[in-house]
Amino acid sequence: DAGVIQSPRHEVTEMGQEVTLRCKPISGHDYLFWYRQTMMRGLELLIYFNNNVPIDDSGMPEDRFSAKMPNASFSTLKIQPSEPRDSAVYFCASSSTGPATEAFFGQGTRLTVV
Amino acid sequence: GQQLNQSPQSMFIQEGEDVSMNCTSSSIFNTWLWYKQDPGEGPVLLIALYKAGELTSNGRLTAQFGITRKDSFLNISASIPSDVGIYFCAGPVNVFGPGTRLSVLP
Repeated sequence: DAGVIQSPRHEVTEMGQEVTLRCKPISGHDYLFWYRQTMMRGLELLIYFNNNVPIDDSGMPEDRFSAKMPNASFSTLKIQPSEPRDSAVYFCASSSTGPATEAFFGQGTRLTVV
Repeated sequence: GQQLNQSPQSMFIQEGEDVSMNCTSSSIFNTWLWYKQDPGEGPVLLIALYKAGELTSNGRLTAQFGITRKDSFLNISASIPSDVGIYFCAGPVNVFGPGTRLSVLP
């Protein structure tokens, strides 16, 4: 398996623009997690899905952020409109058998909002 | 929600030294996971603990699930340069602690 695949690897956008980050989890994994990593706030869990259903989105910072998982092999994290403080590395991870088991991470998307 | 604290925040050690770090939580956990993040990569699982008091080793790494179920410890013996990175503990639902940044001096 190719592991968790995220795209793009790098994104630079202007403030106010819409940004969409993409994730393909490992086949057969039924949990998918979105994280944001910054120096100031560390690695924050934003939202996680089980069987394509959002289970806990309490980490989503505000209404500008939304996440979807239309099927078992694809998820998106959208920011609209983007702001400079959204600049961070966004990771997607997936796991099988439960939310407390090993999560396999993608390589992340480095987002810069100017 | 869950709140995790890790100490130390960062450490600089000489190659060959042993390392100890810990993680505490504001609530009781049934699971502790320890991850390492190399620069430019996502975290990778090192050790998983599922039972209070459990002591588990993975090569030079040893982790323990505290008997209070509110803490866990990670030890690295005989550190080498490739041990450099950020070490995270994580609890249920893979909520991560703030990390311990390890630097190994040759």
